[in-house]
Amino acid sequence: GAGVSQTPSNKVTEKGKYVELRCDPISGHTALYWYRQSLGQGPEFLIYFQGTGAADDSGLPNDRFFAVRPEGSVSTLKIQRTERGDSAVYLCASSLTDTTEAFFGQGTRLTVV
Amino acid sequence: AQSVTQPDIHITVSEGASLELRCNYSYGATPYLFWYVQSPGQGLQLLLKYFSGDTLVQGIKGFEAEFKRSQSSFNLRKPSVHWSDAAEYFCAVVETSGTYKYIFGTGTRLKVLA
Repeated sequence: GAGVSQTPSNKVTEKGKYVELRCDPISGHTALYWYRQSLGQGPEFLIYFQGTGAADDSGLPNDRFFAVRPEGSVSTLKIQRTERGDSAVYLCASSLTDTTEAFFGQGTRLTVV
Repeated sequence: AQSVTQPDIHITVSEGASLELRCNYSYGATPYLFWYVQSPGQGLQLLLKYFSGDTLVQGIKGFEAEFKRSQSSFNLRKPSVHWSDAAEYFCAVVETSGTYKYIFGTGTRLKVLA
């Protein structure tokens, strides 16, 4: 596609449930990033993939959060046992390589009730 | 640890006035530097970037930014603001000796008065 695509655009889930957020990067982009943005804040780094492997997952807040990119393209961010504090906009970005600019998707707004 | 500071949370300017948004970073070497803009309910759009070379960079929508190594700054400027520029602006840095993750500032919300 022309840009980074994230689905769903909105997700409402109950506390304790499991959710998956999907990111389709720009075709051919090897680097993929996940960020979380809370209201009034800047994007907060979660995890960065180079190809299929997680090059840096230091931003994942705890072991309830996990992300995969099995074929080096589409990525899924998985959140187990969701908590109300997980409510935020989850942004995905991709870049052609490490050393080129990142392009962001529109985000998935997650609301945990 | 690397950090980015945007000291102005809110800025209000009149349409047609000039604009400068401040960004300072802490990092030993020269990082990659970016400005992104975010309109309500939208994703982040890249305005401009600095990797190396000329320290004055031009971006889209008439924006420019100047990298000043001595001040660890990368301030965003526009000579004449349009009402459509009202949005939130984020400065970001990439540590070039690390894993190339983007570190963002907390943002500056720009309001434009007609």
